[in-house]
Amino acid sequence: GAVVSQHPSWVICKSGTSVKIECRSLDFQATTMFWYRQFPKQSLMLMATSNEGSKATYEQGVEKDKFLINHASLTLSTLTVTSAHPEDSSFYICSARPGQGGAEQYFGPGTRLTVT
Amino acid sequence: QKEVEQNSGPLSVPEGAIASLNCTYSDRGSQSFFWYRQYSGKSPELIMFIYSNGDKEDGRFTAQLNKASQYVSLLIRDSQPSDSATYLCAVTPTNNDMRFGAGTRLTVKP
Repeated sequence: GAVVSQHPSWVICKSGTSVKIECRSLDFQATTMFWYRQFPKQSLMLMATSNEGSKATYEQGVEKDKFLINHASLTLSTLTVTSAHPEDSSFYICSARPGQGGAEQYFGPGTRLTVT
Repeated sequence: QKEVEQNSGPLSVPEGAIASLNCTYSDRGSQSFFWYRQYSGKSPELIMFIYSNGDKEDGRFTAQLNKASQYVSLLIRDSQPSDSATYLCAVTPTNNDMRFGAGTRLTVKP
């Protein structure tokens, strides 16, 4: 149980274009989902927290107009990187916290974004 | 002071030995503690969680929590080369947002 999927697993896009990443909880309902970014050999960096039906809460330094997050249902959250630039190239990972129970988070497999 | 601190390693142990991974946290009101394993190029995988002081065992893994010392550890018995990965300590402070340590890289040598 507690499976989280992400799509796509990798994507290459041109500078200036937008990319949408989907995160789904497959066998549980997630009232809260999280988006992280990880650069090579660095630790996880929390970008934003999203709760179903409400606006996402962004961490300091993360541009909310650049990284659009939508948590439309209890099983789906999307992250759209708008006007992507090469410095946005990174490993983007979502996680989901079940609505009931403890505070554990279950991670998706991640999306590797390369902006050329 | 960082919220969650781990020794970055690398920690190297021979196959079959016990690997000991340590983590300290700053928020004394923290309630939940987690260990994640992350293989290179992959996302983190939850392997243990602990909420109460003491030890919690699951197979070859034992998590130890000492809230008075603000210290949580992970022991891996009979370490295998497949255990080679980065281990992330995560803590849920009083505001309930999980915070991760930078991770300890473990190498188990055959």
